[in-house]
Amino acid sequence: QQQVKQSPQSLIVQKGGISIINCAYENTAFDYFPWYQQFPGKGPALLIAIRPDVSEKKEGRFTISFNKSAKQFSLHIMDSQPGDSATYFCAPTGNTGFQKLVFGTGTRLLVSP
Amino acid sequence: NAGVTQTPKFQVLKTGQSMTLQCAQDMNHEYMSWYRQDPGMGLRLIHYSVGAGITDQGEVPNGYNVSRSTTEDFPLRLLSAAPSQTSVYFCASSYRDSGYGYTFGSGTRLTVV
Repeated sequence: QQQVKQSPQSLIVQKGGISIINCAYENTAFDYFPWYQQFPGKGPALLIAIRPDVSEKKEGRFTISFNKSAKQFSLHIMDSQPGDSATYFCAPTGNTGFQKLVFGTGTRLLVSP
Repeated sequence: NAGVTQTPKFQVLKTGQSMTLQCAQDMNHEYMSWYRQDPGMGLRLIHYSVGAGITDQGEVPNGYNVSRSTTEDFPLRLLSAAPSQTSVYFCASSYRDSGYGYTFGSGTRLTVV
C-alpha cells in the first residue's frame, strides 16, 4: 500500500517568516510530486509540482525541494503571508495508468499578522 | 469558465433517501474521481473512471454508485443515505499523463440526518 507521510500536522508562522512542510513517500515509481493548497470551504488546488529530474523548483515565494535518495520532498513558503493560511497536502503520483491520489494527512498552516 | 463544476453545493438528506451529486468538467480530461473529506481523515477515494464507460472502486465505495456515459460527466449516486455519509464530497479530474496534476471542484457539503 502506498504510504505518504506529511509533517508537521499544524504550523504557526509569523508574517514574513518561512514555512516548511515535509512529505515522505515509499513508492519509488512516483514521478510527479505536487503540493495542493486548500482554503476553508474550497477544493484543493494545485500549487506547485516537481519532476524527479530536478532537485528544486521555485515559483514566486513557493519552492519545492526534492531529495530522491531520501524519498522526501518539501514545500518552502518564503515571506509567509496571512493569505497563505490554508491546509497543504502532498499527493505524489506516477505515470503508470490511473493513479489513486494518496494524499498526505495535510498540514494546517496559520500565518499570524 | 474551464474547470470542474459540482452541484449542489449543500444538501441535507434524511436517512434512507437517495440522491445524485453532479460533476462536470470541460477540459477533456480522461480521468475523473470522487473523494470524500472528513475531519482527521484527509481525502479518501470513493470511485474513479479512466474514460467513458469505465469505472472502478476506490478506497471507500460502499453505499455509492457511479457511471460515466460521457467524457464530461461523472455523477455520484447515494443509494440509501446514512449518517456515516455526512461529509464533504469533491470531484476531481486530470489528464492521463500524471504531469498535469488534478483539478478539483468546489465540493458538495452533504448532511444526512
